[in-house]
Amino acid sequence: TQLLEQSPQFLSIQEGENLTVYCNSSSVFSSLQWYRQEPGEGPVLLVTVVTGGEVKKLKRLTFQFGDARKDSSLHITAAQPGDTGLYLCAAALDGSNYQLIWGAGTKLIIKP
Amino acid sequence: SQTIHQWPATLVQPVGSPLSLECTVEGTSNPNLYWYRQAAGRGLQLLFYSVGIGQISSEVPQNLSASRPQDRQFILSSKKLLLSDSGFYLCAWSFRVGSEQYFGPGTRLTVT
Repeated sequence: TQLLEQSPQFLSIQEGENLTVYCNSSSVFSSLQWYRQEPGEGPVLLVTVVTGGEVKKLKRLTFQFGDARKDSSLHITAAQPGDTGLYLCAAALDGSNYQLIWGAGTKLIIKP
Repeated sequence: SQTIHQWPATLVQPVGSPLSLECTVEGTSNPNLYWYRQAAGRGLQLLFYSVGIGQISSEVPQNLSASRPQDRQFILSSKKLLLSDSGFYLCAWSFRVGSEQYFGPGTRLTVT
């Protein structure tokens, strides 16, 4: 069974601080996605990374896919209360018959 | 553009009663469809997925069943609810297996 581990499980920081959350596995993936979920709503796709070493930026959020395509990180600069939510990573194995593997999520709280 | 609808938004049902949650997708044809359950503040547990009409795959043994009577309609059912069926149920769709998923707003089910 493939496992996608997210860390930390929970993070509470002050507005304006920087943070990084991680998504790690021993498996190689063809692509990896990050989602953000707010309480009582469905997850919303933030980004997909597909190439080893790829870096994508979405305003204050920076996503990186590891060179070996086994891990990914999400860095938030100058966090704001609006960044609060559950951040989920999901990865796809090579091949056409595999469902996404989901991490357990990082619950992020940004205090004003 | 594609949209996904899910209803009801909240549901309170007694133990032993039946369940029917419905999900419909607009703006695309032959989507892959998914039902997930999510415990509070935790990751997603895939319950069922479907790659076509009448094709249902179950990921975990449980008290629930799913059906896909039409191309863009996915239904989650139970004949007799258990207390352990309480949770947040999410429907999602994707273009293909392993690709990005797009979620509905979710149904909060409380079994009393």
